[in-house]
Amino acid sequence: NAGVTQTPKFQVLKTGQSMTLQCAQDMNHNSMYWYRQDPGMGLRLIYYSASEGTTDKGEVPNGYNVSRLNKREFSLRLESAAPSQTSVYFCASSARTGMTLEKLFFGSGTQLSVL
Amino acid sequence: SQQGEEDPQALSIQEGENATMNCSYKTSINNLQWYRQNSGRGLVHLILIRSNEREKHSGRLRVTLDTSKKSSSLLITASRAADTASYFCATAYSGNTGKLIFGQGTTLQVKP
Repeated sequence: NAGVTQTPKFQVLKTGQSMTLQCAQDMNHNSMYWYRQDPGMGLRLIYYSASEGTTDKGEVPNGYNVSRLNKREFSLRLESAAPSQTSVYFCASSARTGMTLEKLFFGSGTQLSVL
Repeated sequence: SQQGEEDPQALSIQEGENATMNCSYKTSINNLQWYRQNSGRGLVHLILIRSNEREKHSGRLRVTLDTSKKSSSLLITASRAADTASYFCATAYSGNTGKLIFGQGTTLQVKP
């Protein structure tokens, strides 16, 4: 089972460049998430999609956009990368029991450096 | 910020000892979850405890939840060197069923 697959694993950008991080899950989960992890900060939620067709802002959405392409795929776009966006990015997905969120399954992460 | 707080930030113990990590949060929750992250890897789910539960066990893990104090603890018994990792609590808040908010984590080192 692939679980949650995110690409690329590593990326170096110059300030002002754009890029899209891709994420796909094969567990038929309704909900998908993008987090960033900085040293000493834990994980911070960027955007999430509670179900196909919906997206909502998390704790740190500025500078990012997302697209829930279908139930499997949830992409994160940096339109104009800034050094402050240097971080490790994690995609995750989860099932829901009624209105309650269940456990998250994480991808292996994307290490992004913006110079 | 809705982010919970974890205590301690770092913990170093000998193999065989027990490790206890604490998590506090701010508003009412549907459930609270604990995750482990080995260095340079993604997060792995350990245990989920619902708001109407007070204690849950999984192997050498014991999680407690006190909703009156808005706190939870994770106990790892008879620790092993392989338990060396960062541990995070995450809360699914009642008011918003779509978000899971993580604490800053506890870094555990188990010395052989």
